[in-house]
Amino acid sequence: ETGVTQSPTHLIKTRGQQVTLRCSSQSGHNTVSWYQQALGQGPQFIFQYYREEENGRGNFPPRFSGLQFPNYSSELNVNALELDDSALYLCASSTDRSTDTQYFGPGTRLTVL
Amino acid sequence: AQRVTQPEKLLSVFKGAPVELKCNYSYSGSPELFWYVQYSRQRLQLLLRHISRESIKGFTADLNKGETSFHLKKPFAQEEDSAMYYCALRTTGGGNKLTFGTGTQLKVEL
Repeated sequence: ETGVTQSPTHLIKTRGQQVTLRCSSQSGHNTVSWYQQALGQGPQFIFQYYREEENGRGNFPPRFSGLQFPNYSSELNVNALELDDSALYLCASSTDRSTDTQYFGPGTRLTVL
Repeated sequence: AQRVTQPEKLLSVFKGAPVELKCNYSYSGSPELFWYVQYSRQRLQLLLRHISRESIKGFTADLNKGETSFHLKKPFAQEEDSAMYYCALRTTGGGNKLTFGTGTQLKVEL
């Protein structure tokens, strides 16, 4: 069984740029959730994708967007980067059952200068 | 809106001492509560969930709806328990979205 993987591991961008983060879900999982974890904070829910459709969104502006592909992998896109976007971005996969456990990836560390 | 509060940023105990990591939540409905753990240089992983009512690595947690708490306990701390612990809540009808607390760093000293 392959676990959740994320790429890249680290990324440095400047304000105003755009970034794309990638996530491969665990084998057998069709649901992907994205979380932002700022320094010293717990993960905050950004949004969730199920069968290529957004299925729930947290309190994040529209410049945070995502995609899910037919193989259930996912992308998180952030436009017009701001300094406060600097954080660890976590991807978690699960089945579509609302009671299922979420399995987290190692995260992508984004630094915005 | 739901909220999870972990009042302690850092908890330091000696090996063999009891551990209690506090977690309080606010949610008007019937929540599902979890404890996630992150060991050094490892990914976030599920430790236990209240509906399972099981003991994992000697840790237990009981959901107290009256006090809206889900404290994590272990009678005798081990050095390998040193890690970051996050309490999380999933609301009914909220899909599979988790609301996390800010975490408590547990340090077990020899």
